[in-house]
Amino acid sequence: EVQLVESGGGLAQAGRSLRLSCAASGFTFDDFAMHWVRQAPGKGLEWVSGISWNSGFIGYADSVKGRFTISRDNARNSVHLEMDSLRADDTALYYCVKGGGAFVIVIAAEPPFDHWGQGTLVTVSS
Amino acid sequence: SHALPQPPSVSVAPGQTARITCGADSLANLRVQWCQHKPGQAPVLVIYDDTYRPSGIPGRFSGSNSGSPATLTITGVEAGDEADYYCLVWDNTNDQWVFGGGTKLTVL
Repeated sequence: EVQLVESGGGLAQAGRSLRLSCAASGFTFDDFAMHWVRQAPGKGLEWVSGISWNSGFIGYADSVKGRFTISRDNARNSVHLEMDSLRADDTALYYCVKGGGAFVIVIAAEPPFDHWGQGTLVTVSS
Repeated sequence: SHALPQPPSVSVAPGQTARITCGADSLANLRVQWCQHKPGQAPVLVIYDDTYRPSGIPGRFSGSNSGSPATLTITGVEAGDEADYYCLVWDNTNDQWVFGGGTKLTVL
């Protein structure tokens, strides 16, 4: 059974940093892309970042580009999101999401995501 | 990138058909995905690549993207289908995934 367990959320002051982690199990981790998706209170879903199976392709939403860094450790079956220069509008529930294939980009007849964690809450105070 | 436009809400009676649209212009050159998100639960992909249905998703869910706009159709709506629905596309100009603004489906 696929399991994705996020950690590292909490309260941070604006301008400070937080590091989210996602521990994955139940599948061959280094065969799949991984993503972070967030939902701010009362708002919709927003894709934050994605990393391909071998870290060869990394993408970011415009809203976090230059402030957030995604990385993965295939030896430890984990993916991380380093969040710097936090802002109040980064407050959200952050989901770790398993890709449907090896790549971040859209692939014909392949689901982009197929399993989601339960999320970790990040609150940024101004 | 801005969120793709979706109607904020759609309401249907049980057993009827719900149609949720995505985008103001044709998305025919993109591959549209659809996610269902119920309160307190993790989102679930219900349609990928315009028309494909992941295993475990009922046949009542279908997608189309041959005209304007892309549409998620739920036939024979059940109370358990009440959720927020989001479309999702890959923006290959900016190399990022973009969600729609979301549509709240209410089953009357």
